[in-house]
Amino acid sequence: KTQVEQSPQSLVVRQGENCVLQCNYSVTPDNHLRWFKQDTGKGLVSLTVLVHENDKTSNGRYSATLDKDAKHSTLHITATLLDDTATYICVVGDRGSALGRLHFGAGTQLIVIP
Amino acid sequence: EAAVTQSPRSKVAVTGGKVTLSCHQTNNHDYMYWYRQDTGHGLRLIHYSYVADSTEKGDIPDGYKASRPSQENFSLILELASLSQTAVYFCASSGLGGPGGQLYFGEGSKLTVL
Repeated sequence: KTQVEQSPQSLVVRQGENCVLQCNYSVTPDNHLRWFKQDTGKGLVSLTVLVHENDKTSNGRYSATLDKDAKHSTLHITATLLDDTATYICVVGDRGSALGRLHFGAGTQLIVIP
Repeated sequence: EAAVTQSPRSKVAVTGGKVTLSCHQTNNHDYMYWYRQDTGHGLRLIHYSYVADSTEKGDIPDGYKASRPSQENFSLILELASLSQTAVYFCASSGLGGPGGQLYFGEGSKLTVL
């Protein structure tokens, strides 16, 4: 059973617009949550990690929130650029150590058009 | 800069043949992982290792072997490749792990079994 669900599956926005990606999960325990960016044909690159209840992070035009009570996270991308075209992957870690399991979502494919 | 290098980046193999995917990291990380990515699904853990000369089974180890001859190198071996093993394979390395440790991915090895 999929424990990390991402929505939408795909999204098309115009350059300069903002967008919001959603991640819902059922992983227990939920020690931390990471967002990754995967360019086509490339590896995953970490954007941010959220740890605490109601955590909020900001990394340039990327910002993220985590609601552990609702088991829900959002990734906001402000003023999108063509280079933001990629798949964004939500990952939930069930432990605070490398031996914990990481549970990967299938990703949201974002396409930014001129 | 942290780096994980995979080879080959792309390979076509015949059913029943042997395939070896190699991974090399220069991050001085103890933990290394092999994942496979299938279209529409999240990454799934095949094997991992937290010290040289030792490997552990992940969530989908059947049909795969792993080898960690040194801290820097981690290989994934398919003794008898099958059609169902067509996928993109990612190697990753991690230091502390969990929220405190970065997780670095290679750029992937696309395997097609015919």
